[in-house]
Amino acid sequence: GAGVSQSPSNKVTEKGKDVELRCDPISGHTALYWYRQSLGQGLEFLIYFQGNSAPDKSGLPSDRFSAERTGGSVSTLTIQRTQQEDSAVYLCASSESGRALETQYFGPGTRLLVL
Amino acid sequence: AQKITQTQPGMFVQEKEAVTLDCTYDTSDPSYGLFWYKQPSSGEMIFLIYQGSYDQQNATEGRYSLNFQKARKSANLVISASQLGDSAMYFCAMRELSGGYQKVTFGIGTKLQVIP
Repeated sequence: GAGVSQSPSNKVTEKGKDVELRCDPISGHTALYWYRQSLGQGLEFLIYFQGNSAPDKSGLPSDRFSAERTGGSVSTLTIQRTQQEDSAVYLCASSESGRALETQYFGPGTRLLVL
Repeated sequence: AQKITQTQPGMFVQEKEAVTLDCTYDTSDPSYGLFWYKQPSSGEMIFLIYQGSYDQQNATEGRYSLNFQKARKSANLVISASQLGDSAMYFCAMRELSGGYQKVTFGIGTKLQVIP
């Protein structure tokens, strides 16, 4: 079946502009995660959605970052007034039900470059 | 303290040899899961293997096995019979429950290069 998809695959923007990154999880998966991976670094957790529960936003680095998930499926990560340090690969993952010990499946990522 | 520690920034292994990638973790939660992911140069994160904290036996998936030593809080990945296609970044990760939410922490990764 189809895996996690993300769009765009690459995004170049100017400092100060807003960007939206999209994630389509695996069909039927109720849990969705966003991560950020800066060059040569590991993954940094950003936000986690589980069904209709309030999302865990504890990883968002600033109030310029926000995310929503409409209809329990597609998610959009929005970065307002982008800064150069926002340049990174943004990875989305989903898992079947969000149980603690469940495997996450990752999308190919969106490479964001802020000039 | 680091939640996940991968002390080997880079590793080389001869093709067809076995290699062990180190991972130690830190948690006070009795229930947690340990994962290894492979990230080739294409950037995709590929799930390799999973070990639950209550699992009695070490996890194995084909050429991958996880050497789980709970008392030492280590979860090393062993790749047997290395192949050129194994060259990639490898990330160790831990999932635990904290304050009702899942917390997922990744290590900084180990870059493995398989030499023909």
